[in-house]
Amino acid sequence: QLQLQESGPGLVKPSETLSLTCTVSGGSISSSAYYWGWIRQPPGKGLEWIGSIYHSGSAYYNPSLKSRVTISVHTSKNQFSLNLSSVSAADTAVYYCARLAGYGDHGDYWGQGTLVTVSS
Amino acid sequence: QSALTQPASVSGSPGQPITISCTGTSSDVGSYNLVSWYQQHPGKAPKLMIYEGSKRPSGVSNRFSGSKSGNTASLTISGLQAEDEADYYCCSYAGSSTPVVFGGGTKLTVL
Repeated sequence: QLQLQESGPGLVKPSETLSLTCTVSGGSISSSAYYWGWIRQPPGKGLEWIGSIYHSGSAYYNPSLKSRVTISVHTSKNQFSLNLSSVSAADTAVYYCARLAGYGDHGDYWGQGTLVTVSS
Repeated sequence: QSALTQPASVSGSPGQPITISCTGTSSDVGSYNLVSWYQQHPGKAPKLMIYEGSKRPSGVSNRFSGSKSGNTASLTISGLQAEDEADYYCCSYAGSSTPVVFGGGTKLTVL
């Protein structure tokens, strides 16, 4: 059974960089059939796609976040990571990682999510 | 890329059917039959309920179905049950450069 687990600091100071890692178990991140993505959800609000990456390193980002986001893949560790720079309180959210499948990049497996709060 | 438009809330009685709409544009919903729907209970991760417009993942009840007409996709739940009370999000493929766009979410209340 595929499992994804987010990890990283739960508190980040304004203007600093938010860094999270998603560890994939029960399957290979190098599978040719899938992209791997980050999605976030501010408290009480809806879902927002942040970006997706293929095992080759090819990545796509939400245009509204593109200037601040970097997603990387680490195939030897079966992990992929998210860096979001220059954070503000508006970046406070639950951050999910997910496996994206099919032509429509639907998220068929999700991590449990991790709350990141931006505050001094 | 603008978010897809969903009603903020819908409600229905047990056993009744309900439909949640998801309106996009000719650049996303209208161009691709690649809408997915997610169910999210409070404090939980989203769960995939429908993908590629109308397909159900293994283990999802056949009470859930998806369809599309023009720029609007719909999720129908037949025979509402108490456990269906949750937030529902639609999501559409929107092209190779911005592949994922979500709707704002709909809160389903089972009366």
